[in-house]
Amino acid sequence: SQTIHQWPATLVQPVGSPLSLECTVEGTSNPNLYWYRQAAGRGLQLLFYSVGIGQISSEVPQNLSASRPQDRQFILSSKKLLLSDSGFYLCAWSVGFGYTFGSGTRLTVV
Amino acid sequence: AQSVAQPEDQVNVAEGNPLTVKCTYSVSGNPYLFWYVQYPNRGLQFLLKYITGDNLVKGSYGFEAEFNKSQTSFHLKKPSALVSDSALYFCAVRVFDRGSTLGRLYFGRGTQLTVWP
Repeated sequence: SQTIHQWPATLVQPVGSPLSLECTVEGTSNPNLYWYRQAAGRGLQLLFYSVGIGQISSEVPQNLSASRPQDRQFILSSKKLLLSDSGFYLCAWSVGFGYTFGSGTRLTVV
Repeated sequence: AQSVAQPEDQVNVAEGNPLTVKCTYSVSGNPYLFWYVQYPNRGLQFLLKYITGDNLVKGSYGFEAEFNKSQTSFHLKKPSALVSDSALYFCAVRVFDRGSTLGRLYFGRGTQLTVWP
């Protein structure tokens, strides 16, 4: 079966520290991968998407970056976190019409 | 540009009563419409989708949605609400790049549904 793993579930980081959130997918190959952010419990916004290894597209300019070092691995990063980076981050994958979300990471920047 | 609007931030309904959560969309081409539900600190769970065919779509947990092309709406409905239906509901439209399976989801702001006993 197809599953998506996201970790950590929660994270508290100081301003200016680096960030790395990881997402892995099982049970499928060559998925399209996505990172979404949900601020203040509302309004999901697409941040990045990827159609293949090393291929990253950004939807909005921001302090974050993404990478896809392997087919089923998608990483969200930052060199220096800002307070405004706080939020709930969701990874998702799609193949055809199917679209599945991970359980999310709650990031609090203090 | 593609967009989704959920005009109500909050919907309150008594248990046993019918519920409606509204959604309107703006998209070029054929719309692919979705409803998701989110419980506190959880990821999104798929409820139902409209791709083509019958305008009335049935989904999980007794929910259904009606696609109305002339009104560009895709309202979520349930005949009899349960307290356990209380959650945050998102409407979304999926946009496919030409000649690609890549489909980005664009979400409404969400509607908080509260069902009181």
